[in-house]
Amino acid sequence: GAGVSQSPSNKVTEKGKDVELRCDPISGHTALYWYRQRLGQGLEFLIYFQGNSAPDKSGLPSDRFSAERTGESVSTLTIQRTQQEDSAVYLCASSLAGGGAGNEQFFGPGTRLTVL
Amino acid sequence: GQSLEQPSEVTAVEGAIVQINCTYQTSGFYGLSWYQQHDGGAPTFLSYNGLDGLEETGRFSSFLSRSDSYGYLLLQELQMKDSASYFCAVLNQAGTALIFGKGTTLSVSS
Repeated sequence: GAGVSQSPSNKVTEKGKDVELRCDPISGHTALYWYRQRLGQGLEFLIYFQGNSAPDKSGLPSDRFSAERTGESVSTLTIQRTQQEDSAVYLCASSLAGGGAGNEQFFGPGTRLTVL
Repeated sequence: GQSLEQPSEVTAVEGAIVQINCTYQTSGFYGLSWYQQHDGGAPTFLSYNGLDGLEETGRFSSFLSRSDSYGYLLLQELQMKDSASYFCAVLNQAGTALIFGKGTTLSVSS
């Protein structure tokens, strides 16, 4: 079956523009996560969706970042008024159930965002 | 909060054994996970330890000591394809998403 897909794979934008990143999780996975990975760094948690529960937004770095998820399907991460510091790879992951470190997370290939 | 420490780089030769250590500080603990990421690729799940002891999966094993807040990933019979970054991870305080270490870059040479 298909894995987690993300689009676009690469996005180059100018400082101050808004960008929207898309994630299609594995079908049937109720939990969805967004992470950010700066060059040579670890993964930084951004936001978590679990079914119809309120999302955990505790990792969002500023109010310029927001995300939505429609039911248990597609999610979009929006970054408004992009800054050069937002340049990173944005990774989406999904898992069968939320919580529990033992719940394997399946990652998409990421979107490489470059803010000029 | 949660924090994890792991070495930044490890080098080894084909056929060797390498151990990547991870120490953590957490408020609440739900287990330690390990992920592998090849350069330019997506992270992939390797193993999870919820209880003390050793978990073995083929050439890879992972160990956890909760009393020492310490774990390690052991890679045996190293192959060139094992060259990658390896991340240890624990759940955040809310028990929702993973907090990752900064990663250990493993370079395997012939």
